[in-house]
Amino acid sequence: SQTIHQWPATLVQPVGSPLSLECTVEGTSNPNLYWYRQAAGRGLQLLFYSVGIGQISSEVPQNLSASRPQDRQFILSSKKLLLSDSGFYLCAYLDRGLNQPQHFGDGTRLSIL
Amino acid sequence: AQTVTQSQPEMSVQEAETVTLSCTYDTSENNYYLFWYKQPPSRQMILVIRQEAYKQQNATENRFSVNFQKAAKSFSLKISDSQLGDTAMYFCALTSGGTSYGKLTFGQGTILTVHP
Repeated sequence: SQTIHQWPATLVQPVGSPLSLECTVEGTSNPNLYWYRQAAGRGLQLLFYSVGIGQISSEVPQNLSASRPQDRQFILSSKKLLLSDSGFYLCAYLDRGLNQPQHFGDGTRLSIL
Repeated sequence: AQTVTQSQPEMSVQEAETVTLSCTYDTSENNYYLFWYKQPPSRQMILVIRQEAYKQQNATENRFSVNFQKAAKSFSLKISDSQLGDTAMYFCALTSGGTSYGKLTFGQGTILTVHP
């Protein structure tokens, strides 16, 4: 069966510190991978997506970056966090074929102090 | 660009009753898919139901059904026999064919509260 793991679940970081959130998928090969951010009480905004190893597309200009070093691993990073980076971050994957819905990880709640 | 609009920020319903959540969308694609996701207080995103645009028949999953009006670009979710566990934020989402790479466009969400 397919599963998606995302960690950490909660993170509190000071302004200016680096960030690394990790997402891994099991039970599928060559999935599309996505990072979303959700502000409090709001909808999800797509940050990055990847259709293969080393292939990253950014949807919005921001302080964050993403990488895909392995087929089923997707990393969200920042060199220096800003207060505006606070939020709830969700990783998702999609089996190839548009009739498959995206499946989401449990999310990371990031608070910047 | 495609858009999804949920015009009801909050809704409430009594347990065992029926409630309908509204969603309208806009896309220039002919091949697209629509979804309803549920986000309970745990904040996990759970797929509720999906609809392929080329299918005229409305999708149904147990107590959940949709009213898909393609010409009007409307995609509402009906929850029958509401249960306390249905309390959550509900998101309508759209993905198109072609080079969209499965990217989802979400509405702003509707907070549904089921009262005992």
